[in-house]
Amino acid sequence: SQQGEEDPQALSIQEGENATMNCSYKTSINNLQWYRQNSGRGLVHLILIRSNEREKHSGRLRVTLDTSKKSSSLLITASRAADTASYFCATDATQEYGNKLVFGAGTILRVKS
Amino acid sequence: DVKVTQSSRYLVKRTGEKVFLECVQDMDHENMFWYRQDPGLGLRLIYFSYDVKMKEKGDIPEGYSVSREKKERFSLILESASTNQTSMYLCASRWTSGRMATQYFGPGTRLTVL
Repeated sequence: SQQGEEDPQALSIQEGENATMNCSYKTSINNLQWYRQNSGRGLVHLILIRSNEREKHSGRLRVTLDTSKKSSSLLITASRAADTASYFCATDATQEYGNKLVFGAGTILRVKS
Repeated sequence: DVKVTQSSRYLVKRTGEKVFLECVQDMDHENMFWYRQDPGLGLRLIYFSYDVKMKEKGDIPEGYSVSREKKERFSLILESASTNQTSMYLCASRWTSGRMATQYFGPGTRLTVL
């Protein structure tokens, strides 16, 4: 069953604007990860935030995690047309045979130039 | 750089055919995964393997089997392909390094079953 649920399903913004995507999950996690997928391609890891962290930055990316609300957000600042892609959150929880990620349905971001 | 490759980018098969999807990783990762991706459903885990000859069912294993005879290779098998198995198939691998391992994905195989 899916754990991560992204919101919104789709987002369209102008180049230069900020884009915010949200993710909610249901159970305890070790960490939460965000991935990006360009059309018709595989996923690429963007950033990982541990369960004991509240905020993390990587370039134009800012991720927050609120474990009390079981939610995370991904902020892309000063967006570019090249940021157009689908973005997925994935939760990492301990399993019997090593960890596995559970992905949400994703947010489709379109950045218009 | 970690590299995960998949044998085909596009594949067209007929109903009832046996289909093999191959995945190879070059970073000595212990864990390997097969997902399918469908619009609006995100990625759903079919099977995963945490070691050679070891496999575990994911969320949607029905109609699929897997094989991991060598550490670098993880194969997904559709014994008798059906039209509802038309999908994008993604392979991934990762280390089991504590609890911080990220996954590396292959480019995907878009399978069409006619």
